[in-house]
Amino acid sequence: DAGVTQSPTHLIKTRGQQVTLRCSPISGHKSVSWYQQVLGQGPQFIFQYYEKEERGRGNFPDRFSARQFPNYSSELNVNALLLGDSALYLCASSSLGTANEKLFFGSGTQLSVL
Amino acid sequence: DQQVKQNSPSLSVQEGRISILNCDYTNSMFDYFLWYKKYPAEGPTFLISISSIKDKNEDGRFTVFLNKSAKHLSLHIVPSQPGDSAVYFCAARPFTSQFYFGTGTSLTVIP
Repeated sequence: DAGVTQSPTHLIKTRGQQVTLRCSPISGHKSVSWYQQVLGQGPQFIFQYYEKEERGRGNFPDRFSARQFPNYSSELNVNALLLGDSALYLCASSSLGTANEKLFFGSGTQLSVL
Repeated sequence: DQQVKQNSPSLSVQEGRISILNCDYTNSMFDYFLWYKKYPAEGPTFLISISSIKDKNEDGRFTVFLNKSAKHLSLHIVPSQPGDSAVYFCAARPFTSQFYFGTGTSLTVIP
């Protein structure tokens, strides 16, 4: 079975532009979470989706939005990009609802904002 | 507000010796803890977990210890191997809520 897949792997944008990142979860996983990892820091929670519903949102501005599709894949959108949005964006899938839930991560999308 | 802290940014250990990575947390509601390993250009990979009802969990060369009164957990790797060289993150969460990650410890195992 394929793991979590993310696209694109690298992206360069300029300030003010908009970006869409994509994620396909592991087959059978219904939950997708998005994390931002800035260099030298740990992953920071952005969103969690389960069955197309938002289950949680981290401390990120409204410029960040996401959605989940009927096939459980997900998109993360960031509008009006700032230099500080440059980071590795990680998608993780899981079988939500189990007490010992584990996150399975993709390789990430490296976003550079110039 | 960093609720999960890894105060050692880096650690170097000789091959065959024990590696001990530490993690502290501040939220007493955290009841589930995980360790992840991350190689460059890859996403974090799950290593081992522990719930708050236990104080120790083993999986092969990896053992996680949890001290709830001290709000401290540690990951022991015995024996350490050069392939263990990576960045290690601890993560914690309150029941069914979001995961909080530490800042990571870069482990180098010297052959």
